[in-house]
Amino acid sequence: KNEVEQSPQNLTAQEGEFITINCSYSVGISALHWLQQHPGGGIVSLFMLSSGKKKHGRLIATINIQEKHSSLHITASHPRDSAVYICAVRYNTDKLIFGTGTRLQVFP
Amino acid sequence: DTEVTQTPKHLVMGMTNKKSLKCEQHMGHRAMYWYKQKAKKPPELMFVYSYEKLSINESVPSRFSPECPNSSLLNLHLHALQPEDSALYLCASATGGVEFFGPGTRLTVL
Repeated sequence: KNEVEQSPQNLTAQEGEFITINCSYSVGISALHWLQQHPGGGIVSLFMLSSGKKKHGRLIATINIQEKHSSLHITASHPRDSAVYICAVRYNTDKLIFGTGTRLQVFP
Repeated sequence: DTEVTQTPKHLVMGMTNKKSLKCEQHMGHRAMYWYKQKAKKPPELMFVYSYEKLSINESVPSRFSPECPNSSLLNLHLHALQPEDSALYLCASATGGVEFFGPGTRLTVL
């Protein structure tokens, strides 16, 4: 069983829609990361969170430590947001544990 | 310079070949990583170097041999690979718990 669960696995949206991707994990962590990967491409780190909320442009990431849950929100989605979004956690080691990813497609 | 570079972008090799993947960063990061990623799967950690020393080997077969010649360079030497080793190989470096990923080398083993 993967220690990091993401939902949904696949998501389609119309341009302009508000999107939410969820991530839950099983034990206490030192940090949670949201990553973006375009098809055939490398990975970009979007956020690193240990508490609270962060915002960058149209992207917002939140984390609830007590509930062991994080969400990534995309406001006013655009076709260029189409990518795989990966949640990953770090448990006080050098290792990142990755979720299975959410494949997002935004149609014009 | 705020990026991780990887060469080559693509590599096709036979099962008897010896090749190397190269990763470079000039951000002064002391942790560097090799990951393997199969299609539609998350990355799998292979090796971690910390201060140029191998700190984690995730039970990777010996046909993969990492090397960290200096704090900016990370190599992955490949020998006698199998077709199932075909994948995207990602390098990353980290500071302050944030990882910076390279664009990857897409490896095909024939």
